[in-house]
Amino acid sequence: AAGVIQSPRHLIKEKRETATLKCYPIPRHDTVYWYQQGPGQDPQFLISFYEKMQSDKGSIPDRFSAQQFSDYHSELNMSSLELGDSALYFCASSAAPGGAGDEQFFGPGTRLTVL
Amino acid sequence: GEDVEQSLFLSVREGDSSVINCTYTDSSSTYLYWYKQEPGAGLQLLTYIFSNMDMKQDQRLTVLLNKKDKHLSLRIADTQTGDSAIYFCAERDRGSTLGRLYFGRGTQLTVWP
Repeated sequence: AAGVIQSPRHLIKEKRETATLKCYPIPRHDTVYWYQQGPGQDPQFLISFYEKMQSDKGSIPDRFSAQQFSDYHSELNMSSLELGDSALYFCASSAAPGGAGDEQFFGPGTRLTVL
Repeated sequence: GEDVEQSLFLSVREGDSSVINCTYTDSSSTYLYWYKQEPGAGLQLLTYIFSNMDMKQDQRLTVLLNKKDKHLSLRIADTQTGDSAIYFCAERDRGSTLGRLYFGRGTQLTVWP
C-alpha cells in the first residue's frame, strides 16, 4: 500500500541557510500534519493543513512557513536555520479529519542537520 | 497542552509479555494511540482506542484503558526481538477537530533473546 513520502530523507545545512522539506500524502488523504522530533524527544506538532488551508498551528517558529498545494502535497520552508533546528521532521496524513480514529499515518521523516 | 507521560525503558525476555504504560491528563473524550518507532524509521501506527472503551485487542496487542486514573497500557504478548523499538503513546487534542497529537517521551523496549 502507498505510504507517506518525504523528501529529502537527509539534509545538511549551514546556520542561516534555508531548507525546504516536502511531503506527499497517501492518495486521497486531504489532511497533512508536520511534527518535529528533537534528539531523544517526543514529536512536537508544528502545523497542519486540510484541503489546502492551514487548519491548526502549534509550536512552529516564525522563521518556518508551510503550505499545501492543489495536489495535496505539502512543503515546509525553514529560513535562517539555527543549530537547534536539527531534528527529525515528520509529515503525517489522514483522511476524513475528525472522523472515527482519524488515524495519522507518518512518513519516514527528514533528518535535518544544521552545522 | 495535554501532558502525556511514559516510563522511558523496559527490558523483557523473548517470549514474555511486555506491558508499556502511559498516563494522560485530558479528561474529556479523545482518542489515544500507540505508535512504534524503529531506529531511523518513521512512526508506525499500531492501534488506537477511544476513551469510552475499556479494552481493545488486536492479535498480539491488547490496549487497556483506565479512565478514572487516566492510565493507558499496551500489552504485547509473546514478545519477539523484532518488537524492540521505541513505543509512543499519543493523545488526540480534543480541542482540535483536525486532531493534532500530543506524544509521550516514548518507551524504549529491549527484547533479549
